[in-house]
Amino acid sequence: DAGVTQSPTHLIKTRGQQVTLRCSPKSGHDTVSWYQQALGQGPQFIFQYYEEEERQRGNFPDRFSGHQFPNYSSELNVNALLLGDSALYLCASSWGQGVIQETQYFGPGTRLLVL
Amino acid sequence: GENVEQHPSTLSVQEGDSAVIKCTYSDSASNYFPWYKQELGKRPQLIIDIRSNVGEKKDQRIAVTLNKTAKHFSLHITETQPEDSAVYFCAASRPGSARQLTFGSGTQLTVLP
Repeated sequence: DAGVTQSPTHLIKTRGQQVTLRCSPKSGHDTVSWYQQALGQGPQFIFQYYEEEERQRGNFPDRFSGHQFPNYSSELNVNALLLGDSALYLCASSWGQGVIQETQYFGPGTRLLVL
Repeated sequence: GENVEQHPSTLSVQEGDSAVIKCTYSDSASNYFPWYKQELGKRPQLIIDIRSNVGEKKDQRIAVTLNKTAKHFSLHITETQPEDSAVYFCAASRPGSARQLTFGSGTQLTVLP
C-alpha cells in the first residue's frame, strides 16, 4: 500500500517563473491538502481539494492555484515566483467523507528554491 | 482564524527523562488536535492525536492531555530515547468541510545520550 507520494523532490527556479508540483494520495483517500513549510516554521495551509474542487483556501495569493484529477491526484501551481516562495511544499491526503476529522498523512514534500 | 502557539521552541533532555511540550489554541470551536514528529529532511508523521470529547490519550511512552476550558494541550514523552530527537509540531482543527490543520511553530527536541 503506497503512501502519499510527491514529485519532484527538489526544484530550482528563478524569480518570475512558474512551477507545478504533483501529489498522489494514499490509497483509499479522496482529499488532498497542500501546505507550505518555510525553514524553521510549521506548515501553513494553502488549500484543499475534494471531488476535483477547491474546498477551502488559506491566506495565500491567487498566484497559488491547484487542480485535482479524477484519480484524486493533485497539482499545485505557483505563478510569478518570488524569492519568498522558497519552501518545502507538503501534500497531505485524507478521507474527506467522514463526519469526524480524519487523519492527514503527509508526503515527503517538494523543496523549492527560488533564485 | 485559529492561532496555535507552541512552547518551548527547543528542549534538551537526558536519555530516560521525560519531555513535555505545550500548545495553546485560540478557537474554542477546535475539536481535533494531532501531534506530528518531523525528522530532519523527512515528512511530518502523526504520532498521536486527541479529540475534544476526551481529556487524555496514551500510546506506550507518548501521551497527550487536553484542557478545553483553558484551550491548551500538551505532549508528554516518557523514558526518552535518542531516536525521539526531532521537531515536534502540534496542530488544531475545527469542525467544517475542510478541517484544515493550523500548526504551531515547532519544538526541537534533543535527547542527550
